[in-house]
Amino acid sequence: QKEVEQNSGPLSVPEGAIASLNCTYSDRGSQSFFWYRQYSGKSPELIMFIYSNGDKEDGRFTAQLNKASQYVSLLIRDSQPSDSATYLCAVNSGGSNYKLTFGKGTLLTVNP
Amino acid sequence: DGGITQSPKYLFRKEGQNVTLSCEQNLNHDAMYWYRQDPGQGLRLIYYSQIVNDFQKGDIAEGYSVSREKKESFPLTVTSAQKNPTAFYLCASSFEGPPSAYEQYFGPGTRLTVT
Repeated sequence: QKEVEQNSGPLSVPEGAIASLNCTYSDRGSQSFFWYRQYSGKSPELIMFIYSNGDKEDGRFTAQLNKASQYVSLLIRDSQPSDSATYLCAVNSGGSNYKLTFGKGTLLTVNP
Repeated sequence: DGGITQSPKYLFRKEGQNVTLSCEQNLNHDAMYWYRQDPGQGLRLIYYSQIVNDFQKGDIAEGYSVSREKKESFPLTVTSAQKNPTAFYLCASSFEGPPSAYEQYFGPGTRLTVT
C-alpha cells in the first residue's frame, strides 16, 4: 500500500515567518509530487508541483524534493494570514497510471 | 470561463436512495476523477476515467457507479449499497499524457448528507 505521510499539525507561525511543511512517501518509484492548498470548506487548489530533485521556486513558495530520502517539502516565505489553510501533499508513481495518493494534510495557521 | 463545475453544492438524501452527482468540465481535459474526503482524512479515489467510454475503479469503488459518455461529463452515482455515503465529494480533471496528466484540478465539490 503506497503511503503519503504528513504531520497533521496544526503548525502555527507568526506573520512574516517561513512556514515549513513536510511530506514523506513510501513508494520509491514515485516520480511526480504535488502540493495542494485547501481552505476550510473548499476544494483543493494546486499550488506547486515538482518532478526533479532539488528546489523549485514560485513566488513565495518553494518546493523541495529529495528522492533518496523520500521526502518533499513546501516552504512558504513571508507567511500571510491568508496562507492559513490545510496543505495536502500528493504523489504519483508515474507510468500510465495517473492516480494520485494524497496525505491527510497539515493545517497551517499564520497569526497576525 | 474555463473550469470544472459540480452540482449541487449541497445534497441531502434519505438512506436507501440512490443519488447522482454531476461533474462537467470545459477545459478540454481527457481524464476525470472522483474522490471523497471525510473530516480529517486525505482524499480517497473512487473512480477515474482516462478516455470516453472507459473508466477504472479506484481504491474505494464499492457502492458507487460512474459513466463517461462525453468527454466533458463524468457523473457519479452513490447507490444505497454504499454504507457511509455522507462525505465531501470532489471531481477533478487533467490532460492525458505525462507529465501534465498528473496535474489534477478540482471542482468546487458536493457535500452529501444522508440521514
